[in-house]
Amino acid sequence: EAGVAQSPRYKIIEKRQSVAFWCNPISGHATLYWYQQILGQGPKLLIQFQNNGVVDDSQLPKDRFSAERLKGVDSTLKIQPAKLEDSAVYLCASSLDRGVWDEQYFGPGTRLTVT
Amino acid sequence: AQSVTQPDIHITVSEGASLELRCNYSYGATPYLFWYVQSPGQGLQLLLKYFSGDTLVQGIKGFEAEFKRSQSSFNLRKPSVHWSDAAEYFCAVVPNYGGSQGNLIFGKGTKLSVKP
Repeated sequence: EAGVAQSPRYKIIEKRQSVAFWCNPISGHATLYWYQQILGQGPKLLIQFQNNGVVDDSQLPKDRFSAERLKGVDSTLKIQPAKLEDSAVYLCASSLDRGVWDEQYFGPGTRLTVT
Repeated sequence: AQSVTQPDIHITVSEGASLELRCNYSYGATPYLFWYVQSPGQGLQLLLKYFSGDTLVQGIKGFEAEFKRSQSSFNLRKPSVHWSDAAEYFCAVVPNYGGSQGNLIFGKGTKLSVKP
């Protein structure tokens, strides 16, 4: 079965520019997550979707970050405008449902460098 | 404060030697416990998890972990390390709030290097 797909794999932008990341979850997975992993840290949850609705976005910096999951499948995460501290790997994960027993499957991530 | 701690940032072991990676948590109620591995250029992969029951949990790739309530620990072990085990390992928890649960919270990770 195909895994979680993410693109692009790498992105370099200047501060104050905007950027968007795309995620295609595993087919049939209702729950989709976006994580931010800063160098030397573990991943931190930014937003969780259940189908096309937001379950938890409490740690999403809403003044500059936005995310959507139209039609409950693919998702995009956008940063506008980017700051230096946004340099990180952005991981997308999906699971069959949002129970603790539903394993999260992670994509390879998008490495963002803000200069 | 609630936290999950991995005391070792970087560990180097010789191939064939045994391995133990430490994880401690600080939560009021025992959280759900996980270990993930992240290899270069690859996504995070679940090695094993503990929800309840037998405190020694077997996972994939020959890994096991032991839950010790008295020490608030969930250490990962492998009896004989292979060069392909070189990666970063993350302990993670899902807080247990009785009738509800929180989201996955990761430790800072332990990078494992393997000497030939």
